[in-house]
Amino acid sequence: EAGVTQSPTHLIKTRGQQVTLRCSPISGHTSVYWYQQALGLGLQFLLWYDEGEERNRGNFPPRFSGRQFPNYSSELNVNALELEDSALYLCASSLEGLAGNTGYNEQFFGPGTRLTVL
Amino acid sequence: ILNVEQSPQSLHVQEGDSTNFTCSFPSSNFYALHWYRWETAKSPEALFVMTLNGDEKKKGRISATLNTKEGYSYLYIKGSQPEDSATYLCAFTSGGYQKVTFGTGTKLQVIP
Repeated sequence: EAGVTQSPTHLIKTRGQQVTLRCSPISGHTSVYWYQQALGLGLQFLLWYDEGEERNRGNFPPRFSGRQFPNYSSELNVNALELEDSALYLCASSLEGLAGNTGYNEQFFGPGTRLTVL
Repeated sequence: ILNVEQSPQSLHVQEGDSTNFTCSFPSSNFYALHWYRWETAKSPEALFVMTLNGDEKKKGRISATLNTKEGYSYLYIKGSQPEDSATYLCAFTSGGYQKVTFGTGTKLQVIP
C-alpha cells in the first residue's frame, strides 16, 4: 500500500512569491493535516482538512491556505513568501480525523517538502 | 497556546544502556498523547497513542506510560541499539479541537 506522498521534495523561492505544495493521502484516508517545521522549532500544526472542508487551522496568518480535492488530495498555498517561511512542510493523513467515529485514528506522515525562501 | 515540553533536548547513550524521556503537557482538556520516532531523512513514524490515564504501551524494547492528572508521559527504551538513534516526539491532542501540539523532541544518539 502506497504511503503519503508529497511534491515537490525541494523548492527554492524568493520573497514575495507564491508557492503550492501537494499531498496525496493514503488510499481510504479522508483527513489531511499540514505541519510546518522551521529551523530550530518543533512541528507546528497548520491546517486540517476532512471530507473536502477545512476543519481547523493553527496560529498562522491567512496567507497560508489550502484545499482538499474530491479525491482527498490536498494543496497548501503560501502567498507573499517571507524569509521565515523557510521550513520543512509535512503532510499527514488519517482515517476520519483524529477522533473519528471509530475512535482515535493514527496519523501517517509523508516525506515532506523542504521550502527555502531567499 | 498549549505548551508541550520534552526533556532532555538531546541524549547520548552507550549501546545496551536503557534510557527514558519525559513529555509534559497540559493536564486539562486532555484527549490523547502520541509518541513518534523521527529518523533523519525519513518521515515521523507513530509509536504509540495513549488516551487513558494510567495507560502503558509497549512495542518491543520501547514502552510508554501516561499520567493525565499530572500531565506527563514517559518513553522508555530498554537496551538501546544504534538503530534507535532518532528524534522522539510527543504530541498532545486536546479534546474537541483536534489540534495536535508537538513538543520539540528529544534527540537520541546511541553510541556503538
